Amino acid sequence: ETGVTQTPRHLVMGMTNKKSLKCEQHLGHNAMYWYKQSAKKPLELMFVYSLEERVENNSVPSRFSPECPNSSHLFLHLHTLQPEDSALYLCASSLQGPPSTDTQYFGPGTRLTVL
Amino acid sequence: ILNVEQSPQSLHVQEGDSTNFTCSFPSSNFYALHWYRWETAKSPEALFVMTLNGDEKKKGRISATLNTKEGYSYLYIKGSQPEDSATYLCASHLIQGAQKLVFGQGTRLTINP
Repeated sequence: ETGVTQTPRHLVMGMTNKKSLKCEQHLGHNAMYWYKQSAKKPLELMFVYSLEERVENNSVPSRFSPECPNSSHLFLHLHTLQPEDSALYLCASSLQGPPSTDTQYFGPGTRLTVL
Repeated sequence: ILNVEQSPQSLHVQEGDSTNFTCSFPSSNFYALHWYRWETAKSPEALFVMTLNGDEKKKGRISATLNTKEGYSYLYIKGSQPEDSATYLCASHLIQGAQKLVFGQGTRLTINP
């Protein structure tokens, strides 16, 4: 098992719901990431946090709101999502954030379905 | 725009055979290349990170080479086993700021017993 955990593993929500995805890393890393994988598409970077500060927002709609209260925890708050937001959401962490090329360690992902 | 391409998209190999597949990336602005192995319902697992032209890395029966001048990397698996069945991802960093990894779509490998 990796040192990055994600909860829940599966989530079904309606378009008017508000939910949150949680990620926790037990590796002592300083950077954390949210990625999205839609069907038949590559992993796409959404957000990067380094030392609890957001350093990258990859043109993500405001209905996705990240939060990084400390270097071990990362949340993705979801509200008024659309069916096309259904995807696998992966969290990752690395020892150092950009511009380092440190290996990123991934969690198992949350499979999100928006009805 | 940085595009990372992987081929083939899927591959079926007989157990015991060796195989290889390709990752292509823009040779200008190259900074680093990562290979990951991703089994269904599990976390992507880091295999290699490569930075220098001519780099070769090895982990058990899996090895990788890097050609930064022509913009490609090969992943080789020797003597495939059923447990090698997975999707293999490559990802490249941009040189300017190396702000993010850009992933290819992956090569889905199935080993037939």
